[in-house]
Formats: sequence, structure tokens, C-alpha cells
Amino acid sequence: DVKVTQSSRYLVKRTGEKVFLECVQDMDHENMFWYRQDPGLGLRLIYFSYDVKMKEKGDIPEGYSVSREKKERFSLILESASTNQTSMYLCASSFFGSSYNEQFFGPGTRLTVL
Amino acid sequence: RKEVEQDPGPFNVPEGATVAFNCTYSNSASQSFFWYRQDCRKEPKLLMSVYSSGNEDGRFTAQLNRASQYISLLIRDSKLSDSATYLCAVISGSARQLTFGSGTQLTVLP
Repeated sequence: DVKVTQSSRYLVKRTGEKVFLECVQDMDHENMFWYRQDPGLGLRLIYFSYDVKMKEKGDIPEGYSVSREKKERFSLILESASTNQTSMYLCASSFFGSSYNEQFFGPGTRLTVL
Repeated sequence: RKEVEQDPGPFNVPEGATVAFNCTYSNSASQSFFWYRQDCRKEPKLLMSVYSSGNEDGRFTAQLNRASQYISLLIRDSKLSDSATYLCAVISGSARQLTFGSGTQLTVLP
């Protein structure tokens, strides 16, 4: 079974703190993605990566950065957390190539910024 | 206009009913389409890919209408376990990222 794991299920941080969200996949997938999910807005893509050390901005990259030093690991960084970054964060991965490739999601991290 | 739009529902249907959801997309160059299912407090999981000719998987049928730019999901003989949020997703252009709709909530009632 494909497994995508995220470092925390729940996280509470204070405004201005630096936050790291980690994602690891065990299927040797080339593509990895970070989304946030908010009620009424659905999933919105923050950043994605097709390969180690590569990153591309998604639809809402402001306030976030990412790091992909190893193929299996994709980190999302909030340099200075703000209350409007309170959300559910979902990581996903997929094989490179066919656009029919399924994305597999991790269980999500519910982040609250106070 | 949102790139991918869905009726948020909720759809409340009795067990055994047939229910259909539509999802419209704005980019006529979109080439790949999917339905994901998301249970409460869980991650989305792929339910079906949607092919040009339409496809069926048991009680679930997915269709694509390119002329009107929408995809549909039909669930026959609804079960209580079908209660979930159904997300449509679209790939457009050469990029490999999905654009998701905001989801349609379905509750199947006993």
C-alpha cells in the first residue's frame, strides 16, 4: 500500500513562529504537492515539486516556502505564521508521467495559529 | 469564475436512492478528470478517473461532457457508507497539478 505520512495530525502555534510541516512518501514518487483545505474553498495548491531540489509555485504560495532535499520528503515552511494560515494542510504524491496518475494524500495536519 | 465548480450540497438522500452530482470546469483545454471521495476528517482518496467514453465501477458511473464542460458522477442504490464529500478534480495544460472543486457533501439516510 502506498503510504504518505505527515509529521503531525494537530499543531498549535503562535503568530510569528516558524512552522515546519513534514511529508514523507514510501512509493518512490517523483511528484509531491502541498495543499491547504478550508471550508467552502476546497483544496488549494500551495507548492509542488517534480524532483529533488525542484519546486514550483501553486495557486497560493504567499507566506509559504518548501524544501525537497530527498525524493521521499517534502517540507512546507511557514516563515512567520499568521492567523490566516490556520487550516488543514494536506500533502500528496504521484508518479511522474501520465496525467491520469492518481495522487495519494497523507492524513493531513490541522494547524491552528493563535 | 472559479476554474472548477461544484454544488456544495448537502445532498440528503434515502438509502437505495440514485443521486447525481455535476462539476463544471472553465478551461476548455482541460484533459484529465477525476472524482475523489473524502470522508469526514480524512484525506481525499481517488474514487474514479473520468474517461471520454464514460466509465462505470459497480454502482458508480462517471461521465464527461466536453461540449458543455462538465463531468458527472452517478451513484445508484446508495448505501449509508456512501456518505462523504465528493470532490471533482481537473488537470489542464501541460502542468501536472490538479485543480479541485470545493466538494459536494452527500448524506445517505437510513
